[in-house]
Amino acid sequence: QVQLQESGPGLVKPSQTLSLTCTVSGDSISTSGYYWSWIRQHPEKGLEWIGLFYFSGSTYYNPSLKSRVTISLDTSENQFSLKLNSVTAADTAVYYCARGLAPPAFDYWGPGTLVTVSS
Amino acid sequence: SYLLTQPPSVSVAPRKTATITCAGNNIGGKSVHWYQQQPGQAPMLVIYYNNDRPSGIPERFSGSNSGNTATLTISRVEAGDEADYYCQVWDSATDCVVFGGGTKLTVL
Repeated sequence: QVQLQESGPGLVKPSQTLSLTCTVSGDSISTSGYYWSWIRQHPEKGLEWIGLFYFSGSTYYNPSLKSRVTISLDTSENQFSLKLNSVTAADTAVYYCARGLAPPAFDYWGPGTLVTVSS
Repeated sequence: SYLLTQPPSVSVAPRKTATITCAGNNIGGKSVHWYQQQPGQAPMLVIYYNNDRPSGIPERFSGSNSGNTATLTISRVEAGDEADYYCQVWDSATDCVVFGGGTKLTVL
């Protein structure tokens, strides 16, 4: 059974960097054919795709966030991470990590973690 | 950028059929995926590749995709189907994942 779990600070100050980690169990993030993605949801709003890392090493980002986002994999820990810099209150959201089939259909999701940007 | 349009809300009586649409330019040429999100929970994949169901998803859930509209159909609706539903595609022109705005399904 594949499981994903997000972890990281729940409170980040404006202008700082939001850093989250997704720990994967029940599957190897090195497995070919999968995408590893971050998706967020603002309070009472819809889903917003942030970006993804394809097993081949390619990364794809939402153009609206691309200048501030980095997604990377740590195969030794079976984790992948999100860094979003220069955050503002508009980045307050629930952040989900997810595994994607190809072409990206997200079949496993973490439970989500609320990140609040506030001083 | 590619845009997916869903109705904000759909209402249906129990045991009837619910239809949720997802409109996009030539969406019939893409693979469409659908997610169900219950309050306070992560989304769950209910239909992928237009009309395939993941293991554990009831046969009551089905999908279709043609022209400019993809459709999620839920037959014999139950109270537990009340949730938000999102469609999603991969836009190969921009290498982006795109979500629809979501539809709130209310069971009367």
